[in-house]
Amino acid sequence: ELKVEQNPLFLSMQEGKNYTIYCNYSTTSDRLYWYRQDPGKSLESLFVLLSNGAVKQEGRLMASLDTKARLSTLHITAAVHDLSATYFCAVDKGYTNAGKSTFGDGTTLTVKP
Amino acid sequence: ETGVTQSPTHLIKTRGQQVTLRCSSQSGHNTVSWYQQALGQGPQFIFQYYREEENGRGNFPPRFSGLQFPNYSSELNVNALELDDSALYLCASSYLGRDTEAFFGQGTRLTVV
Repeated sequence: ELKVEQNPLFLSMQEGKNYTIYCNYSTTSDRLYWYRQDPGKSLESLFVLLSNGAVKQEGRLMASLDTKARLSTLHITAAVHDLSATYFCAVDKGYTNAGKSTFGDGTTLTVKP
Repeated sequence: ETGVTQSPTHLIKTRGQQVTLRCSSQSGHNTVSWYQQALGQGPQFIFQYYREEENGRGNFPPRFSGLQFPNYSSELNVNALELDDSALYLCASSYLGRDTEAFFGQGTRLTVV
């Protein structure tokens, strides 16, 4: 059974600081996703990582994937209040299971002034 | 806006009743996946439909069933509702066979009383 673990589950940051969210998964996969969810809302796709060593950046967020370590990171640079949300990583068990994702429990990020 | 629409947005049902949730997929997509998200948790995969057939199921009982129509829209049916079925139900539309991301609808909030 594929398991996905995120840490930390809760993160309180000062504006302007940097931090990293970690996502570990239990079985081989080369398809990993990061999503953002605002309270009461749906999931917004942030990144799709499809190969070992993949790195993607959008604004203050950068995601990377190490399939050998079964680890993905979401790095936040110079946090701003607008980044406050819950962030989920999700993993598919390979190409043939695309869209049948196993999600982590989420990291709730609060950015304080 | 992702182009994936779900209806209704909110629903209140009584234990033991049946419910049907609907999802209209994004144009050009051929696959719909359904997820259940309980409060404070990550989404859990229910099942996926591809070319009108079920294409994989998560750990959900048979009272959770679905359909996909020729226009790739989809329904999720839940029979004999239980209190624990109260959750946000999300559908995600994608194109199986391409390395593209899935797009989520805004969700249906189901409350079972």
